Amino acid sequence: AQSVTQLDSQVPVFEEAPVELRCNYSSSVSVYLFWYVQYPNQGLQLLLKYLSGSTLVKGINGFEAEFNKSQTSFHLRKPSVHISDTAEYFCAVSGANQAGTALIFGKGTTLSVSS
Amino acid sequence: GAVVSQHPSRVICKSGTSVKIECRSLDFQATTMFWYRQFPKQSLMLMATSNEGSKATYEQGVEKDKFLINHASLTLSTLTVTSAHPEDSSFYICSARDVQISTGELFFGEGSRLTVL
Repeated sequence: AQSVTQLDSQVPVFEEAPVELRCNYSSSVSVYLFWYVQYPNQGLQLLLKYLSGSTLVKGINGFEAEFNKSQTSFHLRKPSVHISDTAEYFCAVSGANQAGTALIFGKGTTLSVSS
Repeated sequence: GAVVSQHPSRVICKSGTSVKIECRSLDFQATTMFWYRQFPKQSLMLMATSNEGSKATYEQGVEKDKFLINHASLTLSTLTVTSAHPEDSSFYICSARDVQISTGELFFGEGSRLTVL
């Protein structure tokens, strides 16, 4: 079984500042890792995913994440945030090559960007 | 990308009535769909896994007689909340996996906000 811990429930930042949202996972097997974004009263949109290969993954809206197997982490970063990045961000994990299984989500991090 | 459509987006009902929520994969086939429930300011909790043509698999603590799931075709799964009560008020989100893509990514519907009066 897998589990995900998002270390920060809320992250307030100023516009154009860099941001890092932290995610750690636990699994006894190889994993796929995901970051999703959720705007109020909407479903989830995929930001990026790690499946294999390069540990630095680039996603949409200027976000990137780095997979660190030794630290079992998958932190999300953006060098310069915008007001429009204000949303809820979820880290998720699934077992690799387990296509029939659901994603397990962290509790989410609220990113609040102010001017 | 793959599109999952969920309907209705909002529903208000009286206590004791039943509500059906539909989840459709619009441009791909989904042998497996997943139903999540999200309370305000909280994460997504998996309720059940819906497999086309077979019974759904429910997570521990989820009442299968209360949350009826039907996956009648490769593009449609429905969740029926039976005899709804105020504590069933929540945001329900469905998701689906494209059988052509083996990377584990889930595509999510827009969610359905249920309010039980």
